[in-house]
Amino acid sequence: EPEVTQTPSHQVTQMGQEVILRCVPISNHLYFYWYRQILGQKVEFLVSFYNNEISEKSEIFDDQFSVERPDGSNFTLKIRSTKLEDSAMYFCASSEEHQETQYFGPGTRLLVL
Amino acid sequence: AQSVTQPDIHITVSEGASLELRCNYSYGATPYLFWYVQSPGQGLQLLLKYFSGDTLVQGIKGFEAEFKRSQSSFNLRKPSVHWSDAAEYFCAVGALEYGNKLVFGAGTILRVKS
Repeated sequence: EPEVTQTPSHQVTQMGQEVILRCVPISNHLYFYWYRQILGQKVEFLVSFYNNEISEKSEIFDDQFSVERPDGSNFTLKIRSTKLEDSAMYFCASSEEHQETQYFGPGTRLLVL
Repeated sequence: AQSVTQPDIHITVSEGASLELRCNYSYGATPYLFWYVQSPGQGLQLLLKYFSGDTLVQGIKGFEAEFKRSQSSFNLRKPSVHWSDAAEYFCAVGALEYGNKLVFGAGTILRVKS
């Protein structure tokens, strides 16, 4: 069964460093998403991406965040200058169509020291 | 603003007992609803979904959920819980009028005692 994959599973970084989180969505899916879950808090929407551009973003998704689909399979989330409060589990998801079921990857746990 | 409430943070049930996890939403739109399950250290696995049609939906692992528009609820049920069902369960809601984002509840941690 096709699934969303994410790398790395864990990442530890120093405050102020750039990190890139990688995702491989399900191959025939057209819509891609990033969510995050700070420890003990709700899963929160960050951004959705379609046709090589951002279609929606939350207020959390400020200028330090960016997303990219650098090739036909990968979807990345970049955090330019990490802050302590960026420590969270980051989930990638994809869906086949607009407002269809979103399938989630296993997550990347990011720890900013 | 859209919101999803899961009133129970923790629930403990005995193995073999029935289970109901509550989910209420506040949306001024036509919602579509999901239940996801997260085992420790794992991602979010889809249990079931409701978009339209029959308001009682069946999912994987013997779970079902019923959409009640009048009560703005989408409660998850299972007639007989297994020890392997211990996990955290998330209700999530989207709406046609609000694009693609899903709004999640805070989650309910299910403990199963033998």
